Amino acid sequence: GENVEQHPSTLSVQEGDSAVIKCTYSDSASNYFPWYKQELGKRPQLIIDIRSNVGEKKDQRIAVTLNKTAKHFSLHITETQPEDSAVYFCAASKANNNDMRFGAGTRLTVKP
Amino acid sequence: DGGITQSPKYLFRKEGQNVTLSCEQNLNHDAMYWYRQDPGQGLRLIYYSQIVNDFQKGDIAEGYSVSREKKESFPLTVTSAQKNPTAFYLCASSVGIGLSYNEQFFGPGTRLTVL
Repeated sequence: GENVEQHPSTLSVQEGDSAVIKCTYSDSASNYFPWYKQELGKRPQLIIDIRSNVGEKKDQRIAVTLNKTAKHFSLHITETQPEDSAVYFCAASKANNNDMRFGAGTRLTVKP
Repeated sequence: DGGITQSPKYLFRKEGQNVTLSCEQNLNHDAMYWYRQDPGQGLRLIYYSQIVNDFQKGDIAEGYSVSREKKESFPLTVTSAQKNPTAFYLCASSVGIGLSYNEQFFGPGTRLTVL
């Protein structure tokens, strides 16, 4: 089955700096890669996703890149703000398959 | 945050007791999921259901059971066979099978503590 690894487990940056979180996956058939943000005590919420037919996707200060050959994808947050502090999870799944696998999460702290 | 709800928010259980966690959604989603969240281990899949009256085991199904008698409901029972049940449990739903790229919507979670 699919195995998703996520690094780093914790990340601390200064406000205004960029943050990068990286994930690798094992199943070459996976083709959907969402990223979820979970604030303290709240439910995970989708912030951005990428499908295997594209290599990069941006939404304001966040972007995701996908390298299908190397089977890794990354989340990039620019101009970080204190409200970006949360746990971020990557995930991978296949089309027509509801069996999604999550990474272990990255706790991002943005210092003001 | 509406659409998928879980109850109760906090649950305490004595060792040896079974307990059932509720998950309801009004999003008309076919697929529903149960995850367990422990510190440093992310989200681990317990069970998922792609359609009414059908469900599959995830990575850590031992000691848990589920039912899917109605589209909107997917209760999880934590049995006495689960050796370390204290955790945060998240339910999720997505549109369903036959569609690609299914975003999952999460409930607010239930924190279970075994005393």
